[in-house]
Amino acid sequence: EAGVVQSPRYKIIEKKQPVAFWCNPISGHNTLYWYRQNLGQGPELLIRYENEEAVDDSQLPKDRFSAERLKGVDSTLKIQPAELGDSAVYLCASSLVGVMNTEAFFGQGTRLTVV
Amino acid sequence: GENVEQHPSTLSVQEGDSAVIKCTYSDSASNYFPWYKQELGKGPQLIIDIRSNVGEKKDQRIAVTLNKTAKHFSLHITETQPEDSAVYFCAAPWGYGGSQGNLIFGKGTKLSVKP
Repeated sequence: EAGVVQSPRYKIIEKKQPVAFWCNPISGHNTLYWYRQNLGQGPELLIRYENEEAVDDSQLPKDRFSAERLKGVDSTLKIQPAELGDSAVYLCASSLVGVMNTEAFFGQGTRLTVV
Repeated sequence: GENVEQHPSTLSVQEGDSAVIKCTYSDSASNYFPWYKQELGKGPQLIIDIRSNVGEKKDQRIAVTLNKTAKHFSLHITETQPEDSAVYFCAAPWGYGGSQGNLIFGKGTKLSVKP
């Protein structure tokens, strides 16, 4: 079974340009997360979806970041315009959340460099 | 909200020795505590987790202990091998009564196992 698939793996853009990341979660997983991981730090949650609904986007910088999960399957995270401080690894994860926590599976991430 | 602190930030051991990484959390409602291993260029991968109804869980050379009263949990790796070298993250959930919801990660411990 395929794991969480993210693309692209790497992206280099100039500041003020837009960028988009794509994530395909594990089949059947109802919950999808986008995390940002700065160098030498742990992942920090940006947004969490349960099916197609964003149930927690309190950490998403809404002035420049947007996300969608149409049909409750794959998801896209967009930054427009990008700033130098957005350079980080963007991780997508998915899980099957019900009564109890279950394992969150992570993709390999997209390394974004803003120059 | 949940606050997770992890120590040490770096740990160097000789092959065959044991390694211990400790985390504390703040939300007494949390009842699920996973540990992730992240190798260079990859996403975090779950290696072991524990729920609050048990105090210890073991899987071959890896064990996790939980002290709910003191609100801390630890990862123990015995008979370390060079392939154990990686960054390890602890996490605890926040939101939804502490059992589901968003994982809050520690800042990570870079473990180096010297042959």
